Amino acid sequence: GIQVEQSPPDLILQEGANSTLRCNFSDSVNNLQWFHQNPWGQLINLFYIPSGTKQNGRLSATTVATERYSLLYISSSQTTDSGVYFCAVEQGYSSASKIIFGSGTRLSIRP
Amino acid sequence: DVKVTQSSRYLVKRTGEKVFLECVQDMDHENMFWYRQDPGLGLRLIYFSYDVKMKEKGDIPEGYSVSREKKERFSLILESASTNQTSMYLCASSPIDRGNQPQHFGDGTRLSIL
Repeated sequence: GIQVEQSPPDLILQEGANSTLRCNFSDSVNNLQWFHQNPWGQLINLFYIPSGTKQNGRLSATTVATERYSLLYISSSQTTDSGVYFCAVEQGYSSASKIIFGSGTRLSIRP
Repeated sequence: DVKVTQSSRYLVKRTGEKVFLECVQDMDHENMFWYRQDPGLGLRLIYFSYDVKMKEKGDIPEGYSVSREKKERFSLILESASTNQTSMYLCASSPIDRGNQPQHFGDGTRLSIL
């Protein structure tokens, strides 16, 4: 099956720094999502981005489907950005096609 | 706004107990999913359902069953809980015609089996 790899596994930054999280996938996909899981376990959709670039405030994401990777950029990071960031991909056109998650990047923002 | 509600945020049960995790969504979504999350493994799909009374196994269905008697409710059942089922469990839903819509997740249930 498809493999989804995220890097780095852990990232510690000072408040105000910028960061780039990477997601590589081993096969073509129809959809890709980025999620943020906050320290309380809540999973939040950040981007639904099968291709191209999207921006939402300090966050932006780019997916290059032909090269099988996606990047999540966080600028001017804040302590509330801490948590685990997951990339998830989906294959197939079925309405209930499975979503495969990467193992996540744990981001810690120090004040 | 889509709301996916899981019945408990924290749950502690004993080995051998039958455990029910409940999930309710309020957006009339056809698809519902149960995942578990473990450190270093990300989220893994346990079961999903694309219609009432329909269910499909995910990647790690062993030791679990599910029930979808009503469209808005999807229950995960641990028939005889074991310590290796201690984990964070997340429920999600999505419409059948997803277009550009992502899955929507509940807040999660952190289950401890003693």
